[in-house]
Amino acid sequence: GAGVSQSPSNKVTEKGKDVELRCDPISGHTALYWYRQSLGQGLEFLIYFQGNSAPDKSGLPSDRFSAERTGGSVSTLTIQRTQQEDSAVYLCASSNTGSTEAFFGQGTRLTVV
Amino acid sequence: AQSVTQLGSHVSVSEGALVLLRCNYSSSVPPYLFWYVQYPNQGLQLLLKYTTGATLVKGINGFEAEFKKSETSFHLTKPSAHMSDAAEYFCAVNSGAGSYQLTFGKGTKLSVIP
Repeated sequence: GAGVSQSPSNKVTEKGKDVELRCDPISGHTALYWYRQSLGQGLEFLIYFQGNSAPDKSGLPSDRFSAERTGGSVSTLTIQRTQQEDSAVYLCASSNTGSTEAFFGQGTRLTVV
Repeated sequence: AQSVTQLGSHVSVSEGALVLLRCNYSSSVPPYLFWYVQYPNQGLQLLLKYTTGATLVKGINGFEAEFKKSETSFHLTKPSAHMSDAAEYFCAVNSGAGSYQLTFGKGTKLSVIP
């Protein structure tokens, strides 16, 4: 596609439920990133993929968070047993290997009620 | 470790006036620096970036920024504000070639007064 696509654009879930957020990167981009944007915390790095491997998961806030990437393309961020503090906008970005320029999707706004 | 400080969470300017958004960084290695803009309910769009070479960088929509190593600054400017510039602006840093993680400032929300 022309840009990074994220779905859903909005998600409201009940506390304790699991959610899956999807990211379709720009075709051919080998690197993929997840960031979280929340009030008071700004933009936080969550995880980085190079191909299907995640060499850096250091930003995942707890073991309730996990992510995978398949076929070097689509990535899914899963949050288990959601808590209210998980409410945020989750942004995905992709880039070419070695490039300093990351292209961001429009984000998924997650609200945990 | 890297960090970014954006001075002023909110900045208001009159239409046609100079826009100046401040960004200071800390980095233990020569940094790569970025400015991103975010319109409401949108993702981040790259405005401009500094990697190496010329320290005055021109970006989209008439914005430019100057890398000043001695001041550890990368302030964003535009000579004449337009209503369409109203958005949130983020400064970011990474550790340069081969580095992938961006460290963002907390953002500055720009309002343009007609």
